[in-house]
Amino acid sequence: DTAVSQTPKYLVTQMGNDKSIKCEQNLGHDTMYWYKQDSKKFLKIMFSYNNKELIINETVPNRFSPKSPDKAHLNLHINSLELGDSAVYFCASSLKAEAFFGQGTRLTVV
Amino acid sequence: AQSVTQLGSHVSVSEGALVLLRCNYSSSVPPYLFWYVQYPNQGLQLLLKYTSAATLVKGINGFEAEFKKSETSFHLTKPSAHMSDAAEYFCAVSDGDSSYKLIFGSGTRLLVRP
Repeated sequence: DTAVSQTPKYLVTQMGNDKSIKCEQNLGHDTMYWYKQDSKKFLKIMFSYNNKELIINETVPNRFSPKSPDKAHLNLHINSLELGDSAVYFCASSLKAEAFFGQGTRLTVV
Repeated sequence: AQSVTQLGSHVSVSEGALVLLRCNYSSSVPPYLFWYVQYPNQGLQLLLKYTSAATLVKGINGFEAEFKKSETSFHLTKPSAHMSDAAEYFCAVSDGDSSYKLIFGSGTRLLVRP
């Protein structure tokens, strides 16, 4: 069983489109995250949810809207995609300090 | 504000040689420290973590790291490199607040020569 699973693994889309990435964890964790890894492999936190409540929004453009229907799911919707949004997006969950990561979604905006 | 510095974007060792990947952190509170490994086109896998218990932490795949408060360091070592250790390694810090968000270093690519 995959602990943190995200879909799709690859996403290629045109500028201006709207797309969503889904994430599910079966670890029973209360906290979930979205991280972005850029082309230079740098990882940065985007959002964090604790028990469906947003607790971190790291000055991400409001074209990015996370949604947590329940504490096992954290989806990321992106409106009006731009070339600069191309990156690998990682979902993660944690109970306390130890975070478990999904396999990533490679988003390519053309 | 917390930050993590990884010295050396690339480290190259021969198979069987000592691996040393450097990590220094800054934190205003006692930190939680982590090393993650990322294989190509994969997610991040936790190698080991320091959460204010023993300062010498043993992890998976023969890796270990020592927390040195006086040097604000958390260097990763492995006595003998294996070809399968070739990957990207990330050091990360968390201040243990309610979010436990991770602040990552810029990563070190480990190359293992036959």
